[in-house]
Amino acid sequence: SQTIHQWPATLVQPVGSPLSLECTVEGTSNPNLYWYRQAAGRGLQLLFYSVGIGQISSEVPQNLSASRPQDRQFILSSKKLLLSDSGFYLCAWSARDRVKNIQYFGAGTRLSVL
Amino acid sequence: AQKITQTQPGMFVQEKEAVTLDCTYDTSDQSYGLFWYKQPSSGEMIFLIYQGSYDEQNATEGRYSLNFQKARKSANLVVSASQLGDSAMYFCAMRRRGDMRFGAGTRLTVKP
Repeated sequence: SQTIHQWPATLVQPVGSPLSLECTVEGTSNPNLYWYRQAAGRGLQLLFYSVGIGQISSEVPQNLSASRPQDRQFILSSKKLLLSDSGFYLCAWSARDRVKNIQYFGAGTRLSVL
Repeated sequence: AQKITQTQPGMFVQEKEAVTLDCTYDTSDQSYGLFWYKQPSSGEMIFLIYQGSYDEQNATEGRYSLNFQKARKSANLVVSASQLGDSAMYFCAMRRRGDMRFGAGTRLTVKP
């Protein structure tokens, strides 16, 4: 069966520090991968998605970036964090199923920028 | 632009009763998918149910069913025989051409 791992679960970082969140998927190949951010009490905002290694699409201009160095690995990064980057970050994957394209989520990373 | 609306910020239901969570959407596309996710306090988004725009029958998954009314552009989630563990945030989402958009969510509280 497929599983998705995200780490760390929680993170407290000072303003201006770098960020690296990692997401890996097991049990499937060639997945679509996604990074979302959820502000407190709000819905999800799509940040990046990837359909293959090195292929990244950005939905919202910001100081975050994403990379996909391996087929099942998706990394969210920042060179200098802002206070507004605080939130709950969720990684998701979906199979190359054009009919349903159900997205399955990781457990999330709660980021606090102080 | 596609838009998902969940008008109920919070809902209460008595244990073992049924509850309907509302979702309306706006799209001019004919082909799209509708989803419901559950987010407990732990934060993980759990997929519950899917409805395709061309599906003629309402989707069902165990105690969850989706009341799909295409002409009214609504995709309400019905949770039957509510359990205490159903207390969580519930999000409606729509996928159109690979782009997924989420509503603001409804917090469901099940009372014992």
